[in-house]
Formats: sequence, C-alpha cells, structure tokens
Amino acid sequence: DAGITQSPRHKVTETGTPVTLRCHQTENHRYMYWYRQDPGHGLRLIHYSYGVKDTDKGEVSDGYSVSRSKTEDFLLTLESATSSQTSVYFCAISESGLLAGDHNEQFFGPGTRLTVL
Amino acid sequence: AQSVAQPEDQVNVAEGNPLTVKCTYSVSGNPYLFWYVQYPNRGLQFLLKYITGDNLVKGSYGFEAEFNKSQTSFHLKKPSALVSDSALYFCAVGSSNTGKLIFGQGTTLQVKP
Repeated sequence: DAGITQSPRHKVTETGTPVTLRCHQTENHRYMYWYRQDPGHGLRLIHYSYGVKDTDKGEVSDGYSVSRSKTEDFLLTLESATSSQTSVYFCAISESGLLAGDHNEQFFGPGTRLTVL
Repeated sequence: AQSVAQPEDQVNVAEGNPLTVKCTYSVSGNPYLFWYVQYPNRGLQFLLKYITGDNLVKGSYGFEAEFNKSQTSFHLKKPSALVSDSALYFCAVGSSNTGKLIFGQGTTLQVKP
C-alpha cells in the first residue's frame, strides 16, 4: 500500500468520546487526504493537507478536525464521536495536487474501521 | 457543480469475455478522470487516469479507458476478463475549477469461471 500505514486498523468506541486516527507515510509526498467510505456513497473527502500545517475542508468536514505537524503524519480527530461517524476511514497521499497533471494520482492506505456505539 | 455517476451497481461477465464498467461525469472546466480498484478489506489501488492527450488510456493489469468528451463518459474496459478482476471499481473526477476529486458510488465486477 505505497508506504502508507494507518492506526488503529479497527476501533470500537462510544458516543461522545474523542477519537484520533493516524496516517503515516514514508513517501515524502506533499499532499495527504482523509476519506470516509460508506455503502451507497463511495468515498467522500473529509479534509486534506497540501503541506505541513496547511489543511483545508472537504465535502463532509463537520465533526472532524485534522492536524499535520510534519510531512509524514496526518491526524484525523473526531472531537465527540457520533453513531453517524461509524465508517471505514481511508488516508491517501499524492506527490502533487490534482491540477499539476503529473504525479497527481492518489495512493491509499489500508483503512481504519471505526464503530461508534 | 461536479458529479460522477456509475450507473451499474454490479456487472457480471464470464471469464475470457470483454468487460465494460461505465462512468459518466459532469464538471465545469477541464475534467481529470481516474479509475481505482478495491479488493476486499484493502485500500483503493490506482488503475489509470486521463488528463489530456489520447482519448484511449492504458493502465495496470490490462485495463484501458476511453475518454468521450461529447458523451461526458470515461468507461473502463478490458478485452478479456479474469476471475481475479472481480472487485469493486471506482471512477473519480476532478475539475480544473475546484482542484478536488470526487468519487462515484462504485461498481462491483463479478467475473465467473
């Protein structure tokens, strides 16, 4: 999976608790992304980063925050988990942004399955 | 507005037969088009992309896709399907206006021996 690890791989938590998911890459790629995958919705972008400390919102960012303090790590935090956030979360990386053309394809990690009870 | 549609939830094909997985899109600006494949309990894997140039794009594992601007389509094709091609396939589209990628809902490909 292209030098991308996600931790934890599985997590069960209770409504109202904070949760942090970690994405770690060894490719030194500038761009990192967090998606969630739900049946019938495909993948939806939560947040993305275009450099250290540079982040922006995706289409489903409510209830989520992110941080990127170094190139290799991108953290996704659910401040107060809700049952609607039960999902599979994927991290992705790309060398360049979409509009660069070259090297803009994204490579995905193995995913984290999160269950909020 | 930017959207992508995969009109078939599932495609069934016999091994050795040609396969097509359909994708249509709507974007403002120039489209950036991608196909990804997902095997069970795995992340998505990049197959191919169209940015500019030849309308027929060749990718990994013998797959190819044809960009059709007038029909706003980017169908994935393979001349001879393998049982190991059975997986979930996603089309994704980005636009030069937004700089962001959105994914279709996915199409399950089932190749039977």
